[in-house]
Amino acid sequence: DQQVKQNSPSLSVQEGRISILNCDYTNSMFDYFLWYKKYPAEGPTFLISISSIKDKNEDGRFTVFLNKSAKHLSLHIVPSQPGDSAVYFCAASANNAGNMLTFGGGTRLMVKP
Amino acid sequence: DVKVTQSSRYLVKRTGEKVFLECVQDMDHENMFWYRQDPGLGLRLIYFSYDVKMKEKGDIPEGYSVSREKKERFSLILESASTNQTSMYLCASSPSGWTSGTYNEQFFGPGTRLTVL
Repeated sequence: DQQVKQNSPSLSVQEGRISILNCDYTNSMFDYFLWYKKYPAEGPTFLISISSIKDKNEDGRFTVFLNKSAKHLSLHIVPSQPGDSAVYFCAASANNAGNMLTFGGGTRLMVKP
Repeated sequence: DVKVTQSSRYLVKRTGEKVFLECVQDMDHENMFWYRQDPGLGLRLIYFSYDVKMKEKGDIPEGYSVSREKKERFSLILESASTNQTSMYLCASSPSGWTSGTYNEQFFGPGTRLTVL
């Protein structure tokens, strides 16, 4: 059973608008969350992260929100750009689980010019 | 810049062949990981290593083994390749898991697309 789920396999957004990518998790031991972006034929690259002691982390056009009670996080991209078109993976880690990350299934974002 | 390299970008093998996937990182990271990526399933951890000659099973170790004889190199071995092992294989490395309460991100290689016929 997947402990980290991204229920939308794909998302299409107009350039300049907001992109919202969602992620749900079931393991209450997860206390650190990361978003990775992956272009075709490249490995995933780290985008932004958030600790469970926070509910928001912002880095330029990217903001991650965490709702611990709902076990839900979201990535907001504002404004969206065509170069943001990629697959986005949500990942979670638990401090007591050492070095392992659990990934969601990914969401393919397409930003149309 | 951290560099993680993988020996092949594309590989085609036959059922029953022994397959070696090599990964090298140049940042002196303690941890190294092997994942496979399949549509809708995201990245699933096969094995990881936190030190030379040390390894831990991930979520899907069946049909795979690993070797880490040197800190910079982590090999994934398919003893007898099968068609259900056709996938994208991704290697990653990272410093030790947590520093001052912050998880140390994993750095990924470009991936090897393996096709088993």
